[in-house]
Amino acid sequence: QVQLQESGPGLVKPSQTLSLTCTVSGDSTSNSLFYWYWIRQPAGRGLEYIGRIYTSGSTNYNPSLESRVTISIDTSKNQFSLTLSSVTAADTAVYYCARGPYGAYRYYLDNWGQGTLVTVSS
Amino acid sequence: DIQMTQSPSTLSASVGDRVTITCRASQHINRWLAWYQQRPGKAPNLLISKASNLESGVPSRFSGSGSGTEFTLTISSLQSDDFATYYCQAYSGFSFGQGTKLEIK
Repeated sequence: QVQLQESGPGLVKPSQTLSLTCTVSGDSTSNSLFYWYWIRQPAGRGLEYIGRIYTSGSTNYNPSLESRVTISIDTSKNQFSLTLSSVTAADTAVYYCARGPYGAYRYYLDNWGQGTLVTVSS
Repeated sequence: DIQMTQSPSTLSASVGDRVTITCRASQHINRWLAWYQQRPGKAPNLLISKASNLESGVPSRFSGSGSGTEFTLTISSLQSDDFATYYCQAYSGFSFGQGTKLEIK
């Protein structure tokens, strides 16, 4: 059974960079059958796609965040990471990492981490 | 961008009721749609992929239908565990609906 666990600072100052890591167990980030995702959810609101990465390092980002987002993968540590630069209060949210199947027309999420709250505040 | 609109935003129902949630896409998306359930304080959980494919371990009282631009999630007989928020998600653009909160009447 795959498990995903987010980690990183819970408080980030405005204009700084948010950095989170997702550690995967029960599966491998080298697995060619899956993408690895970041999703976020502001308090009391809906879900927002941030981006995804494949084991090859190929990425896809939400166009509304693309200029500030980088997702990377470290298969030796079985982890993938998110950085979001120039954060504002609008970036305060629960951040989830997740897994989804690889392949055209298979863009959904079959396993999620528990989520981690990141607050942007001075 | 594809916009996904769910209705209703809130639904009040009782244990044993049959309920239906609707999700409309701003463009034709074939059957490329997923449904998730999210309980308070928890991560979403995948219920249905490709509009009607029930995921392993999901109770058979859940079903999905639709294609093109209109989709539905039906719960045939509500159980207490089902009171949660439900989201649809279009594969294209990874667009989520705004959610439907299913409340106890």
